[in-house]
Amino acid sequence: SQQGEEDPQALSIQEGENATMNCSYKTSINNLQWYRQNSGRGLVHLILIRSNEREKHSGRLRVTLDTSKKSSSLLITASRAADTASYFCATGLIQGAQKLVFGQGTRLTINP
Amino acid sequence: KAGVTQTPRYLIKTRGQQVTLSCSPISGHRSVSWYQQTPGQGLQFLFEYFSETQRNKGNFPGRFSGRQFSNSRSEMNVSTLELGDSALYLCASSLAGAAENGYTFGSGTRLTVV
Repeated sequence: SQQGEEDPQALSIQEGENATMNCSYKTSINNLQWYRQNSGRGLVHLILIRSNEREKHSGRLRVTLDTSKKSSSLLITASRAADTASYFCATGLIQGAQKLVFGQGTRLTINP
Repeated sequence: KAGVTQTPRYLIKTRGQQVTLSCSPISGHRSVSWYQQTPGQGLQFLFEYFSETQRNKGNFPGRFSGRQFSNSRSEMNVSTLELGDSALYLCASSLAGAAENGYTFGSGTRLTVV
């Protein structure tokens, strides 16, 4: 079963607007990462936030992490057509394997 | 520097056959992980290799196997292919493990089983 669940499953907005995607997870984590995937290609690592961090920025991306609620959000500001992609959260677990557990993703469409 | 290279990009196989997929990680990366991506199940972890040793394994049947060579290149093999094995197979490399710094993914191998 998936550790993370993204919400919404799909999001369609106008170019220039902000896009917010949410991720919830079930077990304690070491860190949470966000990835982007363009149509059937490999995933691209966007940002990593550690469990002792609450907010992190990278360019037009802002990620927040609330470990008490086991949730994270990814905000993309001033969206562009090139941001159209699927976005996945992935959790690095505290115990056990050196692996990431991915959610099902949010499909983001930016309309020109 | 070169990225993660997966070959082949596309593959069509018949049920019952076997297939081998290859992955060359980023130079210096010692950890290679494999994921299966399908529309229904999403991204599922197959296994991870580090310095030629399988360090972690997902919940896949024994038909799925892999190995890593001394130059960190990795192969995964699927024997006795089933229709349900049709998927995008993604290889990801990292310095020491994805939980530390994240993955760099290859473009994937699209496997179709007919």
